[in-house]
Amino acid sequence: ETGVTQTPRHLVMGMTNKKSLKCEQHLGHNAMYWYKQSAKKPLELMFVYSLEERVENNSVPSRFSPECPNSSHLFLHLHTLQPEDSALYLCASSPGHTQYFGPGTRLTVL
Amino acid sequence: SQKIEQNSEALNIQEGKTATLTCNYTNYSPAYLQWYRQDPGRGPVFLLLIRENEKEKRKERLKVTFDTTLKQSLFHITASQPADSATYLCALDGTGGFKTIFGAGTRLFVKA
Repeated sequence: ETGVTQTPRHLVMGMTNKKSLKCEQHLGHNAMYWYKQSAKKPLELMFVYSLEERVENNSVPSRFSPECPNSSHLFLHLHTLQPEDSALYLCASSPGHTQYFGPGTRLTVL
Repeated sequence: SQKIEQNSEALNIQEGKTATLTCNYTNYSPAYLQWYRQDPGRGPVFLLLIRENEKEKRKERLKVTFDTTLKQSLFHITASQPADSATYLCALDGTGGFKTIFGAGTRLFVKA
């Protein structure tokens, strides 16, 4: 295992639900990332936190809201999602350039 | 805009042969190039990192080359095994960090 855990591993939600994805890293890294991966598409960078401050936000819709309470934990709060938001959501941490990914959360929006 | 191209078609090879995967990029001058392996339904796993001033890097059966003139990296797996079957992602990074760009990946199938 890479030292990055994500929960839940699978999530099915309706468009009116509110849910949160959780990521935890046990590697002592200062940077944490959220990516979206859709079938046959490159990883899309959503958010980056360095030392608990957001340093990158790639024009992500406001229905996705990140939270980084400390350097080991990262959340992605979800509300009023659309079916096209269904994807694999990956969390990663990094000490520099190399990234260590969690197993991902498979999200299905009905 | 910055773009990474990897073979979208799957690569099928026989066990024991060398697999060669290609990564081409445009509109970018990366300081670092990385290769990751991803199995279905799982997160990518880091394999190798090569710097812009390095031509080649090896790790066990893996070899990566980096040609900044051609804007291309080649990823080789020698003596391939069925367990090497996976999707391999190329990723580029500048000196500032926090902005790694990933390719869509190439699916490799190694037949016994």
